[in-house]
Amino acid sequence: SQKIEQNSEALNIQEGKTATLTCNYTNYSPAYLQWYRQDPGRGPVFLLLIRENEKEKRKERLKVTFDTTLKQSLFHITASQPADSATYLCALDRGSSNTGKLIFGQGTTLQVKP
Amino acid sequence: DAGVIQSPRHEVTEMGQEVTLRCKPISGHNSLFWYRQTMMRGLELLIYFNNNVPIDDSGMPEDRFSAKMPNASFSTLKIQPSEPRDSAVYFCASSPQGSYYEQYFGPGTRLTVT
Repeated sequence: SQKIEQNSEALNIQEGKTATLTCNYTNYSPAYLQWYRQDPGRGPVFLLLIRENEKEKRKERLKVTFDTTLKQSLFHITASQPADSATYLCALDRGSSNTGKLIFGQGTTLQVKP
Repeated sequence: DAGVIQSPRHEVTEMGQEVTLRCKPISGHNSLFWYRQTMMRGLELLIYFNNNVPIDDSGMPEDRFSAKMPNASFSTLKIQPSEPRDSAVYFCASSPQGSYYEQYFGPGTRLTVT
């Protein structure tokens, strides 16, 4: 069955360091992969999308890589700040094309300490 | 511009009662999604609509769950009768034409069934 795995353990890092979160998937050949941020008591917020033909994508301090051979995406936050503390979810479209039928990972909680 | 609006934000009900959750998508968006989030199962897609028409309801857990979208600015998710295992946070999300992947989530409704 289709499966997405994110590190369930919380990631604790010091302010200013780079945070790296991992998303692995099996039994998929997704056309794209997304990353969302979720704060406690709020809905997820779309951050970035990377397509299968893109190796890397950047947005301000965020960088996402997508390795379709390894079936893995890495999400980096450079120069991390306490305000980056949140849960980060990766998501894939489980339809055969761009259907919007997203399947989400369980999320990794990031804690940035000042 | 207002985001996705959900009501109520919190609902506490007794087992066997009918529950109706409401959603107003972002104006101009033509796709609407209902999700459920629990600690055990994470964020799961229940049903989604495109141009007010239900496209895929394969995620709806049981016949006790039903969803409607009578017009472009309103949708409901109904549970009848409710059970304690339905306790979760229910999110509504919408996306613009042709961009199913960029989903904008509402604040969610926290449902507790006792």
